[in-house]
Amino acid sequence: EIVLTQSPATLSLSPGERATLSCRASQSVGTYLAWYQQKPGRAPRLLIYAASNRATGIPARFSGSGSGTDFTLTISSLEPEDFAFYYCQRRSLWSPTTWTFGQGTEVEIK
Amino acid sequence: EVQLVESGGGLVQPGGSLRLSCAVSELTFSSYWMSWVRQAPGKGLEWVAHITKDGSEKSYVDSVKGRFTISRDDAKNSLSLQMNSLRAEDTAVYYCATGVGYHDFWGQGTLVTVSS
Repeated sequence: EIVLTQSPATLSLSPGERATLSCRASQSVGTYLAWYQQKPGRAPRLLIYAASNRATGIPARFSGSGSGTDFTLTISSLEPEDFAFYYCQRRSLWSPTTWTFGQGTEVEIK
Repeated sequence: EVQLVESGGGLVQPGGSLRLSCAVSELTFSSYWMSWVRQAPGKGLEWVAHITKDGSEKSYVDSVKGRFTISRDDAKNSLSLQMNSLRAEDTAVYYCATGVGYHDFWGQGTLVTVSS
């Protein structure tokens, strides 16, 4: 079973700073890698799909990169509304279809 | 605007059953794969179950296999999750979500609490 490991667990930054979040897979996941943002009490929101494609309505300050086992979510300049939890997710390449989430990274205000 | 609205959550005793529903609107429901994802209090996200658009494939996380059953009713634009033999560790907010490679639309979630 593929495990996704996110780092760091918590990122303490100030508005305007650059955030770099990592997601590492225990085996290659191809391009079925997505990133989500979640705020307390709210449903997750899709940010990035297929490793590097921004979802509809997502600001350009969010970008995704990587392939194989190492992926990165970058927020170029943090806005106040970006302080939240972020999760990476992969879908299995073969049947049966399953999804796995990373354990999450909290981006908190420093 | 696409809407997914979950219902059916509540308090249930260990060993009990509960059926969750997800009503979908402004989406061609029959064309979408659907999933249930849960989040225990203070914890991360966990995918629970998936069903293809024609219902031919269903899959589950190991911890719920044999206890949970996912189903869909395309005539009613509705997704369901039948949960039997519930355990304390099933306590979570349950979200329904759409998607093939990823989950692009989500409901607001329904809370299931398993406790005596």
